[in-house]
Amino acid sequence: AQSVTQLDSQVPVFEEAPVELRCNYSSSVSVYLFWYVQYPNQGLQLLLKYLSGSTLVKSINGFEAEFNKSQTSFHLRKPSVHISDTAEYFCAVSSGYSSASKIIFGSGTRLSIRP
Amino acid sequence: DGGITQSPKYLFRKEGQNVTLSCEQNLNHDAMYWYRQDPGQGLRLIYYSQIVNDFQKGDIAEGYSVSREKKESFPLTVTSAQKNPTAFYLCATNDRATGELFFGEGSRLTVL
Repeated sequence: AQSVTQLDSQVPVFEEAPVELRCNYSSSVSVYLFWYVQYPNQGLQLLLKYLSGSTLVKSINGFEAEFNKSQTSFHLRKPSVHISDTAEYFCAVSSGYSSASKIIFGSGTRLSIRP
Repeated sequence: DGGITQSPKYLFRKEGQNVTLSCEQNLNHDAMYWYRQDPGQGLRLIYYSQIVNDFQKGDIAEGYSVSREKKESFPLTVTSAQKNPTAFYLCATNDRATGELFFGEGSRLTVL
């Protein structure tokens, strides 16, 4: 069975500081990994994904995540955060990207940015 | 614009009443999903449908029902059998080419 653990339920950081949101997964098969972002009272939006190829994936707004198979991790990082990054972030794992019924979500990390 | 429309955005109901949440999509995706979101618990899958006239139970289907009569529509009924229905409900579709889930803006149900 697959599972996803987001180790921090809340992460407070100062504006322009770096941030890392941690995600670990367990799976007995090959996985596909996703980070979604949720702004208050909205649905989730895909931030970035790893399906295959380069283990370092990047989003258009400066976030990046690295797939580490040996450590079963997919941590999300940003070198300098902005107030607009305040949101909840969900890590998700899937054993087959053609079937979302197999996607498992972590419990989320709330990122709060202090001016 | 292409996307997923959920309605209503906010809904209040008395205990014992059934309520139906609407989800409509114009992305031409075959697969549609209903998730429930509670604080600190992430998303839990209620029901999903891979094709018209077919649907399967997710992890927490008890107390819910769905139908899929049209490709564009996947309504969710929260029945009186659902013991703790107050939650944020999210509808999603799946792009099978990329694995990405597309979400609606959600419906917040409060049972008084």
